[in-house]
Amino acid sequence: NAGVTQTPKFQVLKTGQSMTLQCAQDMNHNSMYWYRQDPGMGLRLIYYSASEGTTDKGEVPNGYNVSRLNKREFSLRLESAAPSQTSVYFCASSGGGLAGGYTQYFGPGTRLTVL
Amino acid sequence: RKEVEQDPGPFNVPEGATVAFNCTYSNSASQSFFWYRQDCRKEPKLLMSVYSSGNEDGRFTAQLNRASQYISLLIRDSKLSDSATYLCVVTYSGNTPLVFGKGTRLSVIA
Repeated sequence: NAGVTQTPKFQVLKTGQSMTLQCAQDMNHNSMYWYRQDPGMGLRLIYYSASEGTTDKGEVPNGYNVSRLNKREFSLRLESAAPSQTSVYFCASSGGGLAGGYTQYFGPGTRLTVL
Repeated sequence: RKEVEQDPGPFNVPEGATVAFNCTYSNSASQSFFWYRQDCRKEPKLLMSVYSSGNEDGRFTAQLNRASQYISLLIRDSKLSDSATYLCVVTYSGNTPLVFGKGTRLSVIA
């Protein structure tokens, strides 16, 4: 039981390049989330998926797209990377509906640098 | 006013000390409350949920004050391994994601 896995662990991009961050969970959770964490800013929600087939914007969705490929997988895409997207990206999942009363489990994070 | 506010610290305390963190939240409709722990360059992990009656888990005690809209975390007999950032987390309903505070950094010194 791996929990929440993320790939890649590290990535360096040039401005304007695109990439997809992958996330998978093996806990049969309904809800999945993407956050970014910057120094002094805390965790900020980018997008979330309450259940397979649905996605919603979070606090900072601009410049990102997501795909809930199936119940296990939730990917985050940067179409045209910008230096402002340099951050640590965490994927998380939770078992029940959206959050209330259910623990969120986080992946180990992807450290992205955009030059 | 931010939804969840925490003193960023750092709190530097000696081993064996007792330390307490507070967190305030702005939405009186908040329903569920948690403390998460995040080690340097690692992912956040649930430390404990916070119940209306207060709850204890070993050296850790969490309390909720709905009237004043704050939650607290008390750590007794601090260990070096308690050094981390502690994140206060609230939810407003079963249909909204968790809202994280920016965290309070604790350093326990030998």
